[in-house]
Amino acid sequence: AQKITQTQPGMFVQEKEAVTLDCTYDTSDQSYGLFWYKQPSSGEMIFLIYQGSYDEQNATEGRYSLNFQKARKSANLVISASQLGDSAMYFCAMREGLTAGANNLFFGTGTRLTVIP
Amino acid sequence: DVKVTQSSRYLVKRTGEKVFLECVQDMDHENMFWYRQDPGLGLRLIYFSYDVKMKEKGDIPEGYSVSREKKERFSLILESASTNQTSMYLCASSPGQGTYEQYFGPGTRLTVT
Repeated sequence: AQKITQTQPGMFVQEKEAVTLDCTYDTSDQSYGLFWYKQPSSGEMIFLIYQGSYDEQNATEGRYSLNFQKARKSANLVISASQLGDSAMYFCAMREGLTAGANNLFFGTGTRLTVIP
Repeated sequence: DVKVTQSSRYLVKRTGEKVFLECVQDMDHENMFWYRQDPGLGLRLIYFSYDVKMKEKGDIPEGYSVSREKKERFSLILESASTNQTSMYLCASSPGQGTYEQYFGPGTRLTVT
């Protein structure tokens, strides 16, 4: 079974609008972490935001927020006030466990976001 | 800022050649990783290392090997390159504690002809 599922291969959003990118995860661990990365056309993966499984508050970083719904096992990324520079691939990822060394990330297949002027 | 560098952005090799992809990080991170990225498949882990001379297989290690002789350097080796190894290769590093956020290099786009 896939550990991370991103069901939206592509999304379009109007400039200055908000957009939600979906991510669901599958784990039986109680301790885990969820990440979102952005990959522009240049290819480099850029870390955006992190949510720990024990964090009660949804993570926020500037225009990015993570809508964490533990019971639904979802970790959607919300980008507010979209900008043209937000056009990129977005990957959701999960780390299981907290043991040192056991920190592999499982990645989803990504969502390509296009911001329309 | 964390800096992860990879030896080449683009590489073209012939089938059967031995290929070395080098990755260097400057943040004294314990963990280093090699992924390959293919359209529609996301990132798949090839190998990772959590200490010098230590290595662990990831999801798709077949056809690859790795070397970590120094903490800052993690090499991916294709012993005999094949056309199905044409891909984007991404190296990452992470600290051994905290959130374990991974920092990525710019990637190497390898074409095997």
